[in-house]
Amino acid sequence: AQSVTQLGSHVSVSEGALVLLRCNYSSSVPPYLFWYVQYPNQGLQLLLKYTTGATLVKGINGFEAEFKKSETSFHLTKPSAHMSDAAEYFCALGGSSTLGRLYFGRGTQLTVWP
Amino acid sequence: DAGVIQSPRHEVTEMGQEVTLRCKPISGHNSLFWYRQTMMRGLELLIYFNNNVPIDDSGMPEDRFSAKMPNASFSTLKIQPSEPRDSAVYFCASKGLAVSTDTQYFGPGTRLTVL
Repeated sequence: AQSVTQLGSHVSVSEGALVLLRCNYSSSVPPYLFWYVQYPNQGLQLLLKYTTGATLVKGINGFEAEFKKSETSFHLTKPSAHMSDAAEYFCALGGSSTLGRLYFGRGTQLTVWP
Repeated sequence: DAGVIQSPRHEVTEMGQEVTLRCKPISGHNSLFWYRQTMMRGLELLIYFNNNVPIDDSGMPEDRFSAKMPNASFSTLKIQPSEPRDSAVYFCASKGLAVSTDTQYFGPGTRLTVL
């Protein structure tokens, strides 16, 4: 069965601090993993994705994520938070047998304090 | 490209009325997804289509909900009759022709309020 767990529905950091948003998955097939960001009153937009190959994936706005198969994790990080990073972040799981369907986590709301 | 287009952006209606939400996917995409987002339940997949054919509608809450995709460039989600608990933001997303590695592109959403 396919599932995604995001640890922590709310994360708060100071501007300039490290951002770490956690995502663990369960998949019966080789996973494709995605991070999406949602700004207020907008749709979701892709930050980055892992399909195959290099396990450290770089995305937009300075974010990156590392696929760790042994830990079934795909945590999202950014070295230095900016006020504009405040948004909701969703981890999603797909795979070659899911016919394009993605399984989304519940989301993590990131707050950045000045 | 214009991206995924949804209309209306906001809809306020009274309980019992019919509501129709519309989506135009990105040209050339062959998969279309309808999601519902609420505070209580998060982001839920309602139904998705591949090549205009419904693949999985197990997320549709009940018979009051129906979705169609008459052609590759248009889809509707209909609620009849609407109820206050249907209030949510409804998103449409589309995906390209390649296998599952392709990204889903989301529209801006329709915020539905049922009074």
